[in-house]
Amino acid sequence: AQSVAQPEDQVNVAEGNPLTVKCTYSVSGNPYLFWYVQYPNRGLQFLLKYITGDNLVKGSYGFEAEFNKSQTSFHLKKPSALVSDSALYFCAVSAMDTGRRALTFGSGTRLQVQP
Amino acid sequence: SQTIHQWPATLVQPVGSPLSLECTVEGTSNPNLYWYRQAAGRGLQLLFYSVGIGQISSEVPQNLSASRPQDRQFILSSKKLLLSDSGFYLCAWSVLEAGGLYFGPGTRLTVL
Repeated sequence: AQSVAQPEDQVNVAEGNPLTVKCTYSVSGNPYLFWYVQYPNRGLQFLLKYITGDNLVKGSYGFEAEFNKSQTSFHLKKPSALVSDSALYFCAVSAMDTGRRALTFGSGTRLQVQP
Repeated sequence: SQTIHQWPATLVQPVGSPLSLECTVEGTSNPNLYWYRQAAGRGLQLLFYSVGIGQISSEVPQNLSASRPQDRQFILSSKKLLLSDSGFYLCAWSVLEAGGLYFGPGTRLTVL
């Protein structure tokens, strides 16, 4: 079975500071990894994905994520946080060699950026 | 470009009443379709997914059901709602297995 852990319920950061939202995963085989963002009462918006290739993946709104196979991690990062980045962030995983064809999501991390 | 619609946006229903939520996708053919539920504004639970017309896989046994009568239409139903069915219901689609999911705007269901 595949699983995702987001160890922090909430991350607080000051505007202009770098931010990191942590994610670790467990799958059988090679993973597909994703980050999504959700604003209040809205659907999830795709931010970025790792399929193969470079371990550092760049996505929307200046976000990036680093795939670390040995640590089974896929942390989301941004060099300089904005107040508008405040939202709920979800990490998700799917295994390449499974027919399940669906993503397993973490429990979410609320990012609060203070002005 | 592809678009996904869900309706209604919000719904308040009494316990024991039926439910029908609809999701349609535009701009793509033969998508994989998914229903997720989000409780208490946090984690997402996969309820159903479909890889084609009439093909439904259930992830969690419960009083909900899903149907796919047309290629780009996915319906979530219940004959009798429970209080525990309250939540935010999200429909999603994908075409390529590695491409991730694209979500609709969601339906907020409150069962009283």
